[in-house]
Amino acid sequence: DAGITQSPRHKVTETGTPVTLRCHQTENHRYMYWYRQDPGHGLRLIHYSYGVKDTDKGEVSDGYSVSRSKTEDFLLTLESATSSQTSVYFCAISDPDRGGYGYTFGSGTRLTVV
Amino acid sequence: KNEVEQSPQNLTAQEGEFITINCSYSVGISALHWLQQHPGGGIVSLFMLSSGKKKHGRLIATINIQEKHSSLHITASHPRDSAVYICAVMSGNQFYFGTGTSLTVIP
Repeated sequence: DAGITQSPRHKVTETGTPVTLRCHQTENHRYMYWYRQDPGHGLRLIHYSYGVKDTDKGEVSDGYSVSRSKTEDFLLTLESATSSQTSVYFCAISDPDRGGYGYTFGSGTRLTVV
Repeated sequence: KNEVEQSPQNLTAQEGEFITINCSYSVGISALHWLQQHPGGGIVSLFMLSSGKKKHGRLIATINIQEKHSSLHITASHPRDSAVYICAVMSGNQFYFGTGTSLTVIP
């Protein structure tokens, strides 16, 4: 979707290194989410944000941190990457305050930790 | 704990068949989404429902709030409909997802 972009699209990194994934939106939506998608598990929430500097943990937050210093950017950091964090990461945005509960996903980041 | 359950997990159909995918949920919701993901691809929201029924082309989505159940129907299925279909519900500030239904439509 044109209103939300993720970078990088693909990344290979070594165990123990820090990695930061970026989600950028141009929709001015209040809520932003980071999910990981793994076979057999579907989409699982890592962290989400409900405003600048307002974030909360999801069900699989261990080993991840996030930051949101601007409305348009939501960063996901793997503090010390492990092989179990090899996954496809999706960012999503929504804005329930606008009454639509619309939900838009980014194209995903495929991360491989070797 | 699975707040959202989908069935079937896998579905194979002949081109032209009518397809139904079901979603049941256990939490109070403000909206329900049906998402589509093609192999290796991104995720697209097909429908957002809070009541009743919506139709878009050959796709129809219904929701029964009292029964906490939604269905996605595909009429006159086509091989390009082959994808994973995911049910997602919004409850409070969070979304909960089903594990998806993998649909293969054979020509």
